[in-house]
Amino acid sequence: AQSVTQLGSHVSVSEGALVLLRCNYSSSVPPYLFWYVQYPNQGLQLLLKYTTGATLVKGINGFEAEFKKSETSFHLTKPSAHMSDAAEYFCAVILLNTNAGKSTFGDGTTLTVKP
Amino acid sequence: GAGVSQTPSNKVTEKGKYVELRCDPISGHTALYWYRQSLGQGPEFLIYFQGTGAADDSGLPNDRFFAVRPEGSVSTLKIQRTERGDSAVYLCASSLKLAGGLTDTQYFGPGTRLTVL
Repeated sequence: AQSVTQLGSHVSVSEGALVLLRCNYSSSVPPYLFWYVQYPNQGLQLLLKYTTGATLVKGINGFEAEFKKSETSFHLTKPSAHMSDAAEYFCAVILLNTNAGKSTFGDGTTLTVKP
Repeated sequence: GAGVSQTPSNKVTEKGKYVELRCDPISGHTALYWYRQSLGQGPEFLIYFQGTGAADDSGLPNDRFFAVRPEGSVSTLKIQRTERGDSAVYLCASSLKLAGGLTDTQYFGPGTRLTVL
């Protein structure tokens, strides 16, 4: 079985500061990894994903994440926070060898951006 | 290019009542997923359809929950004898199925917020 842990349910940064949202996973087989953003009263929007190939993946809105197999991590970063980045962020994993493709999500991290 | 749509957006019902939640996936997506998101938590998998059949229903919490997808497109999640603990946002997602059985990116709908009084 796989699981996802997001360290820090709330993260607060100042506008222009680095954003770092942490995600660790446990999986017995290689995973697909995802980051989603959820704005209030809206659905999940895909930020970026890792499937195979380059371990540093770039997504929308200036976000990127690096898959580190040795650390079982997939932390999300953005060099400079913008007020519009305030939202809830979810890390998710899908097992690579499954036909189901069901996602397992972390509990989310709420990002607050201070002016 | 419409995305995944879900109706209703909000549903308030009384304990013990029956509810149906509808999901319209992206046209051409053969895979469809239902998730439940409780307050302060990430979405939890309920059931997965590949075409018309439920390929994995291991996430359904009990036999009060049932889902169908009779024509391989629209899906309905049905909850009988609702309980207050069923209150949550119910999310639907759809995706293409790639060669070799691997899944492509899941696209999520806005969800249905169910409140059981």
